[in-house]
Amino acid sequence: QKEVEQNSGPLSVPEGAIASLNCTYSDRVSQSFFWYRQYSGKSPELIMSIYSNGDKEDGRFTAQLNKASQYVSLLIRDSQPSDSATYLCAVRNRDDKIIFGKGTRLHILP
Amino acid sequence: DAGVIQSPRHEVTEMGQEVTLRCKPISGHDYLFWYRQTMMRGLELLIYFNNNVPIDDSGMPEDRFSAKMPNASFSTLKIQPSEPRDSAVYFCASSLGTGELFFGEGSRLTVL
Repeated sequence: QKEVEQNSGPLSVPEGAIASLNCTYSDRVSQSFFWYRQYSGKSPELIMSIYSNGDKEDGRFTAQLNKASQYVSLLIRDSQPSDSATYLCAVRNRDDKIIFGKGTRLHILP
Repeated sequence: DAGVIQSPRHEVTEMGQEVTLRCKPISGHDYLFWYRQTMMRGLELLIYFNNNVPIDDSGMPEDRFSAKMPNASFSTLKIQPSEPRDSAVYFCASSLGTGELFFGEGSRLTVL
């Protein structure tokens, strides 16, 4: 089993709709969880971090964490064409090791 | 403040040559990570340092790869000898211990 798993996509979402991105992880004692956005040819940039169960909102973005199910998600409301990118889920374990999933390609349809 | 600085941005070399990639982390950050990204394998962790000390190098693919961090403001990743399968984008990232990584622009390596 891979440590951090994501559906590779592409996920196509109409402009203005909600995009839902999902991630599962295998290390039950993982402590911190992150979502990064990566545009083609660019480096990853942090958009959300979440450390405890529940929801965390920042503007149009909401991260959700369920440690019992080992599941992290990212919701993007009012999707814009500029949100088209690859979204990477990352997990930090107790040894401070940070592992990334392979990413989900998101395409917002104008 | 300057972000993470990597050099070179692009490197084209021939199989068997030595390659050295360089990274300057954000001042004050105590963690430094080296990742390799390919289409097939995604973003793979190679090695990370805490306060200049290597913590986990289990991701380094072979003995041909080595990394050093002689001080808090500089790290190198060396490949000797290089092979075509080493072609990838190599990213350096630093963190202040929170796990929130700041990435450099990457070094795109092509080994012919």
